[in-house]
Amino acid sequence: QKEVEQDPGPLSVPEGAIVSLNCTYSNSAFQYFMWYRQYSRKGPELLMYTYSSGNKEDGRFTAQVDKSSKYISLFIRDSQPSDSATYLCAMSAVEDTGRRALTFGSGTRLQVQP
Amino acid sequence: DVKVTQSSRYLVKRTGEKVFLECVQDMDHENMFWYRQDPGLGLRLIYFSYDVKMKEKGDIPEGYSVSREKKERFSLILESASTNQTSMYLCASSFHRLAGGRTDTQYFGPGTRLTVL
Repeated sequence: QKEVEQDPGPLSVPEGAIVSLNCTYSNSAFQYFMWYRQYSRKGPELLMYTYSSGNKEDGRFTAQVDKSSKYISLFIRDSQPSDSATYLCAMSAVEDTGRRALTFGSGTRLQVQP
Repeated sequence: DVKVTQSSRYLVKRTGEKVFLECVQDMDHENMFWYRQDPGLGLRLIYFSYDVKMKEKGDIPEGYSVSREKKERFSLILESASTNQTSMYLCASSFHRLAGGRTDTQYFGPGTRLTVL
């Protein structure tokens, strides 16, 4: 079983729709949760960052973390064709060993149709 | 603006060749990482380094080695390339630790798409 599970999609929505992207995880030590956006033939770029449980909003994007369910979500309001990309969730735990690598989901490909 | 650059965008090599992938960051980051990205498998960590001349194995180090002689440069080496190493290779860097104990945001390069024939 993978540590982080993410539906690969593709997810196709019409412009203006609300998009919900999700990841589940198994490691209860994860405390830091991130969403990265990756356009075709580019490296991932950080979109949202949350610590522990709760919500965080940034413009049209809202990140939610439910640690009790080991479930995180990214919502995109008023989706635009420019939001078409692969969205990767990533997470990490604070460890004494100092390992600072992230554990990534496999990514969900989103297509927003004009 | 953080910049992570990778030496090649596309590379084609033959089985058995020694392959060098170079990564350079300009933000004085302590940590550097090499991942490979494959469809359905996401990003998998190959090696990372938290200081010059220091390295740690990631989840899939077999068939790879790394070198970090200078803080800004992290090289990935495929000693004898094989077809199953055909993949997208991504380099990333981050600060050691941010204020407030936050874990480190990783900044990625554009990737090198390697094909081994």
